[in-house]
Amino acid sequence: AQSVTQLGSHVSVSEGALVLLRCNYSSSVPPYLFWYVQYPNQGLQLLLKYTSAATLVKGINGFEAEFKKSETSFHLTKPSAHMSDAAEYFCAVRHSGNTPLVFGKGTRLSVIA
Amino acid sequence: DTEVTQTPKHLVMGMTNKKSLKCEQHMGHRAMYWYKQKAKKPPELMFVYSYEKLSINESVPSRFSPECPNSSLLNLHLHALQPEDSALYLCASSQWAEGAMVYEQYFGPGTRLTVT
Repeated sequence: AQSVTQLGSHVSVSEGALVLLRCNYSSSVPPYLFWYVQYPNQGLQLLLKYTSAATLVKGINGFEAEFKKSETSFHLTKPSAHMSDAAEYFCAVRHSGNTPLVFGKGTRLSVIA
Repeated sequence: DTEVTQTPKHLVMGMTNKKSLKCEQHMGHRAMYWYKQKAKKPPELMFVYSYEKLSINESVPSRFSPECPNSSLLNLHLHALQPEDSALYLCASSQWAEGAMVYEQYFGPGTRLTVT
């Protein structure tokens, strides 16, 4: 069964610092990977997705993620954190086009002024 | 338009009440989903509809009854709920994948349900 593991339930960074949120996947076949963000009391918004077209994926709000097959990782990064980036971030995987999303446990990002 | 709308935003109901949650999308998506999300947890899949037919039911109690009256609408009927059913209920939609394509899911803002 496919799964994702998010390392660190809470990450705290200073404003302007690098954001790194970790996600490792477990899959016997090429996975389809997604990062979603959830602001308080809101639904989930897609940040970016990996579907094997390119290993470096650029998303919205300055975020990007790199698919590394050798490390089974799909970490999310942003060069400079903004206060508005404070939210819950979920990594998710899909086995194939119509299988349900499987979410990681989430990482709460705090940004300190 | 990439919007999924959900009504109501908040709902408080007693354990003997009957209520419904509504979800709507106009993106032409043929797959629609209900998720339940407890505080500080990821969303848990409840139901999947594809082409208005129920395709996945994740062993959800019968007090939750989904309905997909047409390709744009998804309802969740609630009856005799328990306090532990209090949660954020999220609706999502996506294109139904043909072949090797993979599509993202678009989520609505959710309905915050409190069962008293």
